[in-house]
Amino acid sequence: AQSVTQPDIHITVSEGASLELRCNYSYGATPYLFWYVQSPGQGLQLLLKYFSGDTLVQGIKGFEAEFKRSQSSFNLRKPSVHWSDAAEYFCAVGAKAGTALIFGKGTTLSVSS
Amino acid sequence: GAGVSQSPRYKVTKRGQDVALRCDPISGHVSLYWYRQALGQGPEFLTYFNYEAQQDKSGLPNDRFSAERPEGSISTLTIQRTEQRDSAMYRCASSLPGAETQYFGPGTRLLVL
Repeated sequence: AQSVTQPDIHITVSEGASLELRCNYSYGATPYLFWYVQSPGQGLQLLLKYFSGDTLVQGIKGFEAEFKRSQSSFNLRKPSVHWSDAAEYFCAVGAKAGTALIFGKGTTLSVSS
Repeated sequence: GAGVSQSPRYKVTKRGQDVALRCDPISGHVSLYWYRQALGQGPEFLTYFNYEAQQDKSGLPNDRFSAERPEGSISTLTIQRTEQRDSAMYRCASSLPGAETQYFGPGTRLLVL
């Protein structure tokens, strides 16, 4: 069955510290991988995506993610977290255009000062 | 418009009433998706349109749920005889023709009393 697992429900990171949010997927076809962020009262904003090519992809707001096929993972990273990064983060997997995205349950990030 | 818009943003209704949720996609986006997000969960696919044609409705939970997009632009998701378990955030997304990336609106928060 196709699925996305985000093992961490809630993570707290100190401001300025590095961040890694984990995502593992199970998908039969070649996956397209996405990270979205949801801030309070906002819609889901696309942070970055991976379709093919270089397995390290850069996104907005200083985020990056690395695709590791052998581990079926697509972890999100940021070298230095800002208080404004506090939000809920969703990993998603899809296939070709016109197919549904499958989302993980999300990881809530809190940033402490 | 600049992004996907949804209305109303919040809807409170009594059990047994019908509700209609509206989605206005990004101009030029011919693909439109509906998702439902329960509290503490990631979005789950409901249905998908390409232009005015409903291509996939496999995620609609039962026959109380229906969607239409008669002119290939604005879409309406209708829930008949609402039940408390229908309470959730309903999200709409759109994408360019043949594109895998979906752009989400702010959602409609539905509360059924």
